[in-house]
Amino acid sequence: AQSVTQPDIHITVSEGASLELRCNYSYGATPYLFWYVQSPGQGLQLLLKYFSGDTLVQGIKGFEAEFKRSQSSFNLRKPSVHWSDAAEYFCAVGPDTGTASKLTFGTGTRLQVTL
Amino acid sequence: GAVVSQHPSWVICKSGTSVKIECRSLDFQATTMFWYRQFPKQSLMLMATSNEGSKATYEQGVEKDKFLINHASLTLSTLTVTSAHPEDSSFYICSAPHGYGGTDTQYFGPGTRLTVL
Repeated sequence: AQSVTQPDIHITVSEGASLELRCNYSYGATPYLFWYVQSPGQGLQLLLKYFSGDTLVQGIKGFEAEFKRSQSSFNLRKPSVHWSDAAEYFCAVGPDTGTASKLTFGTGTRLQVTL
Repeated sequence: GAVVSQHPSWVICKSGTSVKIECRSLDFQATTMFWYRQFPKQSLMLMATSNEGSKATYEQGVEKDKFLINHASLTLSTLTVTSAHPEDSSFYICSAPHGYGGTDTQYFGPGTRLTVL
């Protein structure tokens, strides 16, 4: 069964500092990987996704993520965090069927940004 | 594009009553939609897969008679929480897949917060 681990429950960074959120997955084949962001009381917004090809994926709001097969990781990065980035971040994995499929989510990482 | 809406955004009801939550894909059609449940400060747990024109598929441990799902059209799925109790209070989120070239992405609704008194 597929699974996702986000080892950091809570991270605090200063505004302007760089950010890396960790995500490790367990899946038997090539997974589809996603990062979503959730603001308080809101639904999930897709930041970026990886299906195949270039392992460095660019997303919205200045985020990027790198797929490392050897480490089973898909860490999310941002070079300079803004106060508005404070939110909950979820990594998710889906099977590589290419069709509508169920996602398995990690437990999330809550990002706090200090001014 | 690829917008999913939910209605209502929040609802408070008395114990024993039923509550219906709607999920709509606004600018695309979805033969399949997904319903998730999220407890405070926890991750999303998939409850069921809603299939247009056929029965929903429920995840293990989810009571199908408790959480009735109807996918009557290609843009609308409804989740009815029957005889709601305080333990059903949660944040319910739906999603619908949309994509091109055989690769779909799940687009999520804004969620519905249910509070059962």
